[in-house]
Amino acid sequence: QVQLVESGGGVVQPGGSLRLSCAASGFTFSSYGMHWVRQAPGKGLEWVAFIRYDGSNKYYADSVKGRFTISRDNSKNTLYLQMNSLRAEDTAVYYCAKSTGGGAIGGYFQHWGQGTLVTVSS
Amino acid sequence: QPVLTQPPSASASLGASVTLTCTLSSGYSNYKVDWYQQRPGKGPRFVMRVGTGGIVGSKGDGIPDRFSVLGSGLNRYLTIKNIQEEDESDYHCGADHGSGSNFVWVFGGGTKLTVL
Repeated sequence: QVQLVESGGGVVQPGGSLRLSCAASGFTFSSYGMHWVRQAPGKGLEWVAFIRYDGSNKYYADSVKGRFTISRDNSKNTLYLQMNSLRAEDTAVYYCAKSTGGGAIGGYFQHWGQGTLVTVSS
Repeated sequence: QPVLTQPPSASASLGASVTLTCTLSSGYSNYKVDWYQQRPGKGPRFVMRVGTGGIVGSKGDGIPDRFSVLGSGLNRYLTIKNIQEEDESDYHCGADHGSGSNFVWVFGGGTKLTVL
């Protein structure tokens, strides 16, 4: 079955950087678009970024545009999120999620990982 | 882009039924909405997609028949019948928006369902 396992979370100072990874298994990773979604403590879900199955298109929430970069390595079945210039308001559990198709149109979050916690604090 | 509005909380007794509501902002009455269940301390899981004609596509893996959806106007509803203890969760609605060069995905604030 589909498995998504996030890693790389931790405590980082404001202005610092962190790279999250999401190891995928149980499906043909190279055929599906992938998302990052975050959830601040006690808050709702916030979509962060999407990458097309082949990496040719990427979309970002305005709150992270210019600071975060989504990427993927289809040879390693792994999704990444490079987070730079981190702020306190980026503190959240970060989930990776598999889309329903390869592109963005009509896609939703079909499968989710368990998340990794990022804490931005001095 | 649409704004999705959900009441922050709902409650229902064991064995009863409850309907959760997700309301789209004006002008987006033709949008489909996706429902997600999030049990305490867990990642979300997809429940089903709903449009004005009802369910779109299939339910998520392991979602029981007790869960159903309806859509009307700007409202998208998730109904749970014969509520069980394991249904106590946060329920989030979401929608995608965009075309061509830009896409975004938006969520409502979530509804915390308490089973009494």
